[in-house]
Parts: sequence; structure tokens; C-alpha cells
Amino acid sequence: AQKITQTQPGMFVQEKEAVTLDCTYDTSDQSYGLFWYKQPSSGEMIFLIYQGSYDEQNATEGRYSLNFQKARKSANLVISASQLGDSAMYFCAMRDSMEYGNKLVFGAGTILRVKS
Amino acid sequence: DAGITQSPRHKVTETGTPVTLRCHQTENHRYMYWYRQDPGHGLRLIHYSYGVKDTDKGEVSDGYSVSRSKTEDFLLTLESATSSQTSVYFCAISEFNTEAFFGQGTRLTVV
Repeated sequence: AQKITQTQPGMFVQEKEAVTLDCTYDTSDQSYGLFWYKQPSSGEMIFLIYQGSYDEQNATEGRYSLNFQKARKSANLVISASQLGDSAMYFCAMRDSMEYGNKLVFGAGTILRVKS
Repeated sequence: DAGITQSPRHKVTETGTPVTLRCHQTENHRYMYWYRQDPGHGLRLIHYSYGVKDTDKGEVSDGYSVSRSKTEDFLLTLESATSSQTSVYFCAISEFNTEAFFGQGTRLTVV
């Protein structure tokens, strides 16, 4: 069963506007972590933001915030004030704390294009 | 930046030949992983390691083997390369319950 679902294969956003990238997950565990990574066209994987399942507040890192809705099992990434350099592939990932191996499971990704 | 290096960065090989990709870290992280990236699939875990000589299979392990004889090195071997193994391969490292850091990736083409 797919554990991480990113339903938006591609998104467009106007420069300086905010954009939300969707991520839903599936787990029966109570303890887990959610991650977002950015992959620009150059190919490297860049860690953006982390949310723990027990964290009461949504995580924020600069222009990135994670809209964590536990009951809905969603962990959407919000990018505020989009910049041209935000154009990239974005991956949502989850780690189940109860699963052996400390493994990350990734979604299929969303390609974001920022228009000037 | 985390000290993690993959080699080679690009490789073209023929069907049926063995291929070994190397991942080297200088961070002394316990966990190491090999993922492959294919369009529409995101990153899928091939094998992972939780210590020297401790390895286990991921979701797409068929046709691959790994070895970790030192903390810093994690080798991925394609025993007999097939065209379906044409992909971009990423190595990653992490400590327990922290984010993973990724290498630059290896683009492998099997012809």
C-alpha cells in the first residue's frame, strides 16, 4: 500500500504568491516523522522541513511551513512569497518510528514551476 | 553540507555486466541507504544499512546487493545489469530519527 501520496504531478504559481503542495500519508503508528525535500534541476536533494507526529505546532523554516493536520493525515507544504528559484521537484517523505531501519518512504513528487 | 560522496557520477554499462556504485561518508552516521529515482515513482528504497555488516532489503531489492565493511562506505552492486536498472541512484545517510542527507546521485544507463 502506498504510504505517501502526492496528488499534484505539477503546479504553477506566480512569483511572490504563496503555494500549497499536498501530501497525505498512511500509517497506523502514533510516532512518525514527516519530511519535505526539494530537488532542483541540478539533481541534488535538499532537506527543507520536518514535522514530528507529536509536535503540537506546525513546523516553519523561513518561507516554508508545514500544514500538519493529523486527523486528516495530511502534511502539506506551504511556500510563501514564491521565488523563481523555488522551481523544482518537491518530495514528501515519512518515517515510521516503529519500523526497523529508520527508513524514509517517499511520495512520487510534485513539480513546481514559478512564473515571472 | 553533509560529507557524502557517490562515485561514479555517471556510468554507461552493458546488459549482463556487474556494476558497483560507491557511497562514502565522513559524518560517521549510523544509517546508510540506497534509493533509486524513476519518473512517477519518487525515490524507492533498494537496501539500507544500520551498522557495519548490518544490512537489509528495501522495497525494490531484486537484482541488487550491498555491503558495508566500514562505517564510512556503503557499496551497491548490480549483479547482472538489466535495462530496467537504468535509473538515478542516490545514497543517503542519517542518524536515528533525524533527516537524511543525500549524495549527489549517480546516473546509470544500461544499454
